[in-house]
Amino acid sequence: DAKTTQPTSMDCAEGRAANLPCNHSTISGNEYVYWYRQIHSQGPQYIIHGLKNNETNEMASLIITEDRKSSTLILPHATLRDTAVYYCIVNANFGNEKLTFGTGTRLTIIP
Amino acid sequence: ETGVTQSPTHLIKTRGQQVTLRCSSQSGHNTVSWYQQALGQGPQFIFQYYREEENGRGNFPPRFSGLQFPNYSSELNVNALELDDSALYLCASSDLAGGFPETQYFGPGTRLLVL
Repeated sequence: DAKTTQPTSMDCAEGRAANLPCNHSTISGNEYVYWYRQIHSQGPQYIIHGLKNNETNEMASLIITEDRKSSTLILPHATLRDTAVYYCIVNANFGNEKLTFGTGTRLTIIP
Repeated sequence: ETGVTQSPTHLIKTRGQQVTLRCSSQSGHNTVSWYQQALGQGPQFIFQYYREEENGRGNFPPRFSGLQFPNYSSELNVNALELDDSALYLCASSDLAGGFPETQYFGPGTRLLVL
Protein backbone atom coordinates (compact mmCIF):
# COMPACT_ATOMS: atom_id res chain seq x y z
CA ASP A 1 0.00 0.00 0.00
CA ALA A 2 1.15 3.51 -0.73
CA LYS A 3 1.88 5.58 2.34
CA THR A 4 0.50 9.01 3.08
CA THR A 5 1.96 12.00 4.88
CA GLN A 6 -0.23 14.51 6.70
CA PRO A 7 0.50 17.39 9.07
CA THR A 8 0.10 16.35 12.68
CA SER A 9 -2.25 19.19 13.56
CA MET A 10 -4.01 22.24 12.15
CA ASP A 11 -6.25 24.99 13.41
CA CYS A 12 -9.01 26.72 11.47
CA ALA A 13 -11.36 29.55 12.43
CA GLU A 14 -15.03 28.71 12.59
CA GLY A 15 -16.82 29.64 9.37
CA ARG A 16 -13.66 29.59 7.28
CA ALA A 17 -12.63 26.92 4.81
CA ALA A 18 -10.42 24.19 6.26
CA ASN A 19 -7.87 22.85 3.80
CA LEU A 20 -6.22 19.60 4.84
CA PRO A 21 -3.26 18.47 2.72
CA CYS A 22 -2.06 14.93 2.10
CA ASN A 23 1.00 13.68 0.24
CA HIS A 24 0.90 10.27 -1.41
CA SER A 25 3.87 10.45 -3.76
CA THR A 26 4.09 6.66 -4.29
CA ILE A 27 0.44 6.19 -5.20
CA SER A 28 -0.24 3.63 -7.93
CA GLY A 29 -2.49 4.15 -10.91
CA ASN A 30 -5.29 1.99 -9.52
CA GLU A 31 -5.26 3.41 -6.00
CA TYR A 32 -8.04 5.64 -4.77
CA VAL A 33 -7.64 8.42 -2.21
CA TYR A 34 -10.03 8.11 0.71
CA TRP A 35 -10.69 10.54 3.55
CA TYR A 36 -12.18 9.58 6.89
CA ARG A 37 -12.51 11.53 10.09
CA GLN A 38 -12.79 10.40 13.68
CA ILE A 39 -14.43 12.48 16.32
CA HIS A 40 -13.19 11.68 19.80
CA SER A 41 -13.74 8.02 20.74
CA GLN A 42 -16.21 7.38 17.90
CA GLY A 43 -15.81 5.16 14.84
CA PRO A 44 -14.21 6.70 11.74
CA GLN A 45 -16.69 8.48 9.50
CA TYR A 46 -16.34 8.24 5.73
CA ILE A 47 -16.07 11.65 4.07
CA ILE A 48 -15.16 11.31 0.40
CA HIS A 49 -12.96 9.46 -2.06
CA GLY A 50 -11.61 9.93 -5.57
CA LEU A 51 -9.32 8.45 -8.19
CA LYS A 52 -8.06 11.35 -10.29
CA ASN A 53 -10.89 13.82 -10.77
CA ASN A 54 -11.90 16.34 -8.17
CA GLU A 55 -14.91 15.28 -6.16
CA THR A 56 -17.54 17.09 -4.11
CA ASN A 57 -20.30 15.90 -1.84
CA GLU A 58 -22.43 17.39 0.89
CA MET A 59 -19.60 17.17 3.40
CA ALA A 60 -16.48 18.23 1.54
CA SER A 61 -14.50 18.64 -1.66
CA LEU A 62 -11.48 16.60 -2.67
CA ILE A 63 -8.86 18.14 -4.92
CA ILE A 64 -6.32 15.72 -6.42
CA THR A 65 -3.28 17.06 -8.24
CA GLU A 66 -2.80 16.10 -11.86
CA ASP A 67 0.16 13.85 -11.02
CA ARG A 68 -1.92 12.34 -8.19
CA LYS A 69 0.96 12.69 -5.74
CA SER A 70 -1.01 14.88 -3.37
CA SER A 71 -4.54 15.89 -2.50
CA THR A 72 -6.42 18.41 -0.39
CA LEU A 73 -9.61 17.90 1.53
CA ILE A 74 -11.66 21.08 1.79
CA LEU A 75 -14.36 21.66 4.38
CA PRO A 76 -15.95 24.82 2.95
CA HIS A 77 -17.44 26.36 6.10
CA ALA A 78 -15.92 24.74 9.15
CA THR A 79 -18.01 24.40 12.30
CA LEU A 80 -17.02 23.37 15.80
CA ARG A 81 -18.43 19.89 15.06
CA ASP A 82 -15.72 19.44 12.42
CA THR A 83 -13.08 19.20 15.14
CA ALA A 84 -11.68 15.70 14.65
CA VAL A 85 -8.73 13.63 13.45
CA TYR A 86 -8.75 13.43 9.65
CA TYR A 87 -7.19 10.43 7.92
CA CYS A 88 -6.04 10.33 4.30
CA ILE A 89 -5.77 6.76 3.00
CA VAL A 90 -4.90 5.26 -0.37
CA ASN A 91 -6.52 1.96 -1.15
CA ALA A 92 -6.48 -0.41 -4.09
CA ASN A 93 -6.72 -3.82 -2.51
CA PHE A 94 -9.30 -5.22 -4.85
CA GLY A 95 -10.93 -8.10 -3.10
CA ASN A 96 -8.99 -7.42 0.10
CA GLU A 97 -9.86 -3.98 1.34
CA LYS A 98 -7.42 -3.37 4.14
CA LEU A 99 -7.44 0.29 5.06
CA THR A 100 -4.03 1.43 6.29
CA PHE A 101 -4.47 4.34 8.66
CA GLY A 102 -1.63 6.66 9.56
CA THR A 103 -1.75 9.07 12.48
CA GLY A 104 -3.88 11.63 10.63
CA THR A 105 -4.27 15.38 11.11
CA ARG A 106 -5.88 16.66 14.26
CA LEU A 107 -8.04 19.57 13.09
CA THR A 108 -9.22 22.02 15.72
CA ILE A 109 -11.88 24.56 14.81
CA ILE A 110 -11.44 27.76 16.77
CA PRO A 111 -14.57 29.72 17.73
CA GLU B 1 -31.18 1.54 6.00
CA THR B 2 -29.49 0.75 9.28
CA GLY B 3 -25.83 1.49 9.88
CA VAL B 4 -23.15 -0.68 11.41
CA THR B 5 -23.81 -1.58 15.03
CA GLN B 6 -21.49 -3.10 17.60
CA SER B 7 -21.97 -4.63 21.02
CA PRO B 8 -21.16 -4.21 23.77
CA THR B 9 -20.09 -0.56 23.87
CA HIS B 10 -17.71 -1.08 26.78
CA LEU B 11 -16.17 -4.13 28.38
CA ILE B 12 -13.76 -4.82 31.23
CA LYS B 13 -11.87 -8.13 31.40
CA THR B 14 -8.88 -9.47 33.26
CA ARG B 15 -5.69 -10.93 31.83
CA GLY B 16 -6.08 -14.47 30.54
CA GLN B 17 -9.80 -14.24 29.96
CA GLN B 18 -11.54 -14.56 26.62
CA VAL B 19 -13.82 -12.01 24.98
CA THR B 20 -16.33 -11.97 22.12
CA LEU B 21 -17.28 -8.76 20.35
CA ARG B 22 -20.18 -8.53 17.94
CA CYS B 23 -20.91 -6.53 14.81
CA SER B 24 -23.97 -6.20 12.60
CA SER B 25 -23.13 -5.02 9.12
CA GLN B 26 -24.95 -2.30 7.23
CA SER B 27 -27.92 -3.48 5.21
CA GLY B 28 -26.83 -4.83 1.83
CA HIS B 29 -23.18 -5.30 2.81
CA ASN B 30 -21.48 -8.70 2.58
CA THR B 31 -18.05 -7.92 4.02
CA VAL B 32 -16.92 -7.14 7.55
CA SER B 33 -13.49 -5.90 8.56
CA TRP B 34 -12.18 -5.60 12.11
CA TYR B 35 -9.68 -3.04 13.35
CA GLN B 36 -7.92 -2.41 16.63
CA GLN B 37 -7.21 1.15 17.71
CA ALA B 38 -4.89 1.71 20.63
CA LEU B 39 -5.02 5.04 22.41
CA GLY B 40 -3.51 7.85 20.34
CA GLN B 41 -2.97 5.70 17.24
CA GLY B 42 -4.81 5.05 14.00
CA PRO B 43 -6.85 1.88 13.57
CA GLN B 44 -4.88 -1.27 12.67
CA PHE B 45 -6.39 -3.95 10.42
CA ILE B 46 -7.02 -7.28 12.14
CA PHE B 47 -8.87 -9.30 9.49
CA GLN B 48 -11.71 -9.27 7.03
CA TYR B 49 -14.56 -11.69 6.37
CA TYR B 50 -16.31 -12.03 3.05
CA ARG B 51 -19.22 -14.43 2.68
CA GLU B 52 -18.27 -16.28 5.86
CA GLU B 53 -14.62 -16.83 4.88
CA GLU B 54 -11.54 -15.00 6.12
CA ASN B 55 -10.39 -12.74 3.29
CA GLY B 56 -7.17 -11.20 4.53
CA ARG B 57 -5.45 -10.82 7.87
CA GLY B 58 -3.19 -8.24 9.45
CA ASN B 59 -0.27 -8.78 11.78
CA PHE B 60 -2.21 -10.20 14.72
CA PRO B 61 -1.59 -13.52 16.54
CA PRO B 62 -3.89 -16.53 16.15
CA ARG B 63 -5.57 -15.82 19.48
CA PHE B 64 -7.49 -13.19 17.52
CA SER B 65 -10.11 -15.08 15.56
CA GLY B 66 -13.41 -14.32 13.92
CA LEU B 67 -16.58 -15.58 12.40
CA GLN B 68 -19.08 -14.31 9.90
CA PHE B 69 -22.63 -15.59 9.84
CA PRO B 70 -25.00 -16.12 6.89
CA ASN B 71 -26.68 -12.78 7.64
CA TYR B 72 -23.18 -11.21 7.33
CA SER B 73 -22.96 -10.24 10.98
CA SER B 74 -19.63 -11.04 12.59
CA GLU B 75 -17.83 -11.83 15.82
CA LEU B 76 -14.31 -11.09 16.93
CA ASN B 77 -12.92 -13.45 19.56
CA VAL B 78 -9.78 -12.80 21.55
CA ASN B 79 -8.34 -15.55 23.75
CA ALA B 80 -5.81 -15.26 26.57
CA LEU B 81 -6.26 -11.51 26.91
CA GLU B 82 -3.18 -9.40 27.51
CA LEU B 83 -2.95 -5.89 28.92
CA ASP B 84 -1.94 -4.58 25.47
CA ASP B 85 -5.25 -5.78 24.06
CA SER B 86 -6.89 -2.80 25.74
CA ALA B 87 -8.15 -0.74 22.82
CA LEU B 88 -11.12 0.42 20.79
CA TYR B 89 -12.25 -2.39 18.49
CA LEU B 90 -13.88 -1.21 15.31
CA CYS B 91 -15.96 -3.08 12.83
CA ALA B 92 -16.49 -1.83 9.27
CA SER B 93 -18.79 -3.20 6.62
CA SER B 94 -18.70 -2.88 2.84
CA ASP B 95 -20.13 -4.43 -0.26
CA LEU B 96 -17.31 -6.29 -1.96
CA ALA B 97 -18.60 -6.32 -5.50
CA GLY B 98 -15.21 -6.99 -7.06
CA GLY B 99 -13.21 -4.73 -9.31
CA PHE B 100 -13.44 -1.63 -7.15
CA PRO B 101 -12.35 -0.77 -3.64
CA GLU B 102 -15.67 -0.30 -1.94
CA THR B 103 -16.21 2.22 0.83
CA GLN B 104 -16.05 0.83 4.34
CA TYR B 105 -18.50 2.19 6.89
CA PHE B 106 -17.53 1.93 10.53
CA GLY B 107 -19.50 1.17 13.63
CA PRO B 108 -19.13 3.09 16.90
CA GLY B 109 -16.66 0.57 18.33
CA THR B 110 -16.30 -1.48 21.48
CA ARG B 111 -13.90 -0.19 24.10
CA LEU B 112 -12.13 -3.07 25.82
CA LEU B 113 -10.14 -2.60 28.99
CA VAL B 114 -7.96 -5.48 30.20
CA LEU B 115 -6.88 -5.32 33.82
